[in-house]
Order: sequence, then structure tokens, then C-alpha cells
Amino acid sequence: QVQLQESGPGLVKPSETLSLTCSVSGGSIRTYYWNWIRQSPEKGLEWIGYIYNSGRTNYNPAFKSRVTMSADASRNQFSLRLSSVTAADTAVYYCARASAGGLLGYWGQGTRVTVSS
Amino acid sequence: DIVMTQSPESLAVSLGERATINCKSSQSVLDSSSNKNYLAWYQQKPGQPPKLLIYWASSRESGVPDRFSGSGSGTDFTLTISSLQAEDVAVYYCQQYYSIVPFTFGPGTKVDIK
Repeated sequence: QVQLQESGPGLVKPSETLSLTCSVSGGSIRTYYWNWIRQSPEKGLEWIGYIYNSGRTNYNPAFKSRVTMSADASRNQFSLRLSSVTAADTAVYYCARASAGGLLGYWGQGTRVTVSS
Repeated sequence: DIVMTQSPESLAVSLGERATINCKSSQSVLDSSSNKNYLAWYQQKPGQPPKLLIYWASSRESGVPDRFSGSGSGTDFTLTISSLQAEDVAVYYCQQYYSIVPFTFGPGTKVDIK
């Protein structure tokens, strides 16, 4: 059974960089598409982007200038960095696995990130 | 971006009764070559991540009760819960995966017990 677990700071200061890691068990990140999605009351569910083939990425244009995703296949982890955060980036951040078609079949439990000084 | 809308925002249904949720996309998510609609439905209970229920507009994910069904094509879709159970109280989202960049979700429909 595939399991995903997000980790990272729950509080980030404005203008700084949000960094999260997703640890995957029960399957290799060398296959499938590994996504970051966030959820806030204001914007609902927002797809941020995915990484696949242990390094190729596809980002939502809404985040493209601020987002970087990376993967460490040896640790079976992938990561999100979102720069220049503002209060609008306060959300629950999920990592999720997608099939080639884009179906998000496995999700982490989510981690709440608050942007505040 | 393909914009997804849902109606109603919320509904309350008696136990055992039918619940119907609508989803509309701003452009067709039907791939004419495969005749597949790139539309999925997710269920989210409080404090939990979304759970995939339906894909290709009408295919149930493994383990999903058959009281859940999806229908529709092109730009208009429906999720039906044929006989609402207490454990179905949740928010339901549609998602299009026709346009990868970006994937987009509807705003959600909250289902409660009347």
C-alpha cells in the first residue's frame, strides 16, 4: 500500500521560502507522477505541480516563478520549495501520487502551513 | 485554464434518499480520439485528504460502493449517491485532468444529512 507523508515547518515568515518534503513508502518515486496540491478556504484545491522521472517537472503557471520541485530517489522523497511567500500562501499542503492520466489516487494527510511574522 | 463549477454549493438529503451533484467545465474534457472524459470525482471528509471516487467520468475506483455513480460527457457531469448513508457526509469535488497544466478542481459541494 502506497503511503505519503508530508513534513516541514508549520510557520513561515512572509517573503521567506516554504520548504516541504514528502516521504513515500510502498512504492518507488521513479515511476508515476508526484504532485503537490494545496487547499485553503479562499482558493479551494489548487494544483501546484508535479515531478516525474525523478527530476522532470510540470508546474502550474500561477506558481511557476516561485516554485521548485525536486526528488531524491535514494530516499524515496520529493520536495517543494515556494519562494517569496505571503499570507495568501497559508494553506494545507498535500503531496499526492498521480497516474499518467492525472488521477490523484494516493494522498498524504496534509500539513498546515501558516505564513505569518 | 479550464474552470470547473459545481452546483449546488451544499445539499441536505435524508438517509436512504438520492443525492445529486453537478459539475460543469468551461470547455470540453472529452478526448474525441479515445472517447474518454477526463473528469474525476473526489470525496473529502473533515480532517482527511480527498479520496478518489470516480474517474473517466463514470468508472468507480476500486472499493468504492456502487451507490456512487458518475455520468455526463463533454462539459456537464453528475455525481449521484443513490441511497445516502451517514458515512457519505463529506465535501465532493470534481477535477478535470484533460488539461494537465493546470489540473483544476471545482469549488466543492457539501453533502449533509437532513
